[in-house]
Amino acid sequence: AQSVTQLGSHVSVSEGALVLLRCNYSSSVPPYLFWYVQYPNQGLQLLLKYTSAATLVKGINGFEAEFKKSETSFHLTKPSAHMSDAAEYFCAVSDQDNDMRFGAGTRLTVKP
Amino acid sequence: KAGVTQTPRYLIKTRGQQVTLSCSPISGHRSVSWYQQTPGQGLQFLFEYFSETQRNKGNFPGRFSGRQFSNSRSEMNVSTLELGDSALYLCASSLFYSSTDTQYFGPGTRLTVL
Repeated sequence: AQSVTQLGSHVSVSEGALVLLRCNYSSSVPPYLFWYVQYPNQGLQLLLKYTSAATLVKGINGFEAEFKKSETSFHLTKPSAHMSDAAEYFCAVSDQDNDMRFGAGTRLTVKP
Repeated sequence: KAGVTQTPRYLIKTRGQQVTLSCSPISGHRSVSWYQQTPGQGLQFLFEYFSETQRNKGNFPGRFSGRQFSNSRSEMNVSTLELGDSALYLCASSLFYSSTDTQYFGPGTRLTVL
């Protein structure tokens, strides 16, 4: 069965600093990988997804993630954090036949 | 295009009661999935409906059930409510299967069981 591990339940960065949110997955078949963001009192919004095309995936709001099969990782990065990036971020994995499994989430705080 | 809507947004029930939550997907989307979100367990998959048929089901007791109508609108029902059912219930729709297609989430229904 697939699973996702997000390293670090809380990450704090300064405005303008690099954002790095870590995600490792486990899947016995080629996975589909997703990053979602959740703002307070809202549903989830897709940032980006990997579907076996390019390993470097660019998403919305300046985020990108790189699929590394050898490391079973799909870390999310953004070169320069904005205050508006403060939210909770979820990594998720699925495959053709199975439902989506979410990680526990990482809460990102951006300090002025 | 209107997004995914969920009604009601907030609900308070007592133990032993039953509750029905509603989800209207984006027009043209055929798949609706339901998730339970709690601080302790995080986001957990409940079930997915595609063209009125349950495609996948998560590891939840039979008290949790759902259905999808011909217009793709979906409802989920929880019978004999327990305190542990207090959660944010999220609905998501996608054009095709949720496992491979982009899901669009609604704002959720926050259920409190007293």
